Amino acid sequence: DIQMTQSPSSLSASVGDRVTITCRASQTIGNHLNWYQQKPGKAPNLLIYVASNLQSGVPSRFSGSGSGTDFTLTISSLQPEDSATYYCQHRSGTPPTFGQGTKVEIK
Amino acid sequence: EVFLLESGGSLVQPGGSLRLSCEASGFTFSNFAMSWVRQGPEKRLEWVSGISNSGYSKYYADSVRGRFTISRDNSRNTVFLQMNSLRDEDTAVYYCVKEMGAHGEPVFEYWGQGNLVTVSS
Repeated sequence: DIQMTQSPSSLSASVGDRVTITCRASQTIGNHLNWYQQKPGKAPNLLIYVASNLQSGVPSRFSGSGSGTDFTLTISSLQPEDSATYYCQHRSGTPPTFGQGTKVEIK
Repeated sequence: EVFLLESGGSLVQPGGSLRLSCEASGFTFSNFAMSWVRQGPEKRLEWVSGISNSGYSKYYADSVRGRFTISRDNSRNTVFLQMNSLRDEDTAVYYCVKEMGAHGEPVFEYWGQGNLVTVSS
């Protein structure tokens, strides 16, 4: 199985900060990478698919990049409602696997 | 609006069985693959099983293969997960998920509210 490793595991940033989360795959996956946001007590919500495509309804401050084994989720200007845990997931073969999550807190 | 209504979760003893159901609305159900994803107490997300839009192709995680069976009834817009020989480590919130495509290369586009399955004696 392809292992997905996120860094950092958690971070704390101020409103307006630029935040970057990294996801690394254990083998090359092309651009087959998705990002999700999960708030406490809620189901995950799709943010970015196929590395850089913004899901409908997701604010434009979210963006994704990368290919091969290294990927990045960027929040250009952190907002209070962005406090959540973020997960990456590869879609290159079965089983699709998730990263361990990055918890983003607001200072 | 896409809506996924899950049911069937409960407390069950090790070795027992449960059947989860997920009734979908707000989209043409027969055009899209569906999956089940679970989240255990440590909050890791684990894909469990997926089924193509027609129901012909079915996929399973190694951890559940041979114990769980996924199926769908396109006439009732419903997907099922039959879970047998349940183990303590199957304890999790189980999410029904609509995929973005018909089969393969999953993007988990819409998620249900989650259904708690607890395996304990």
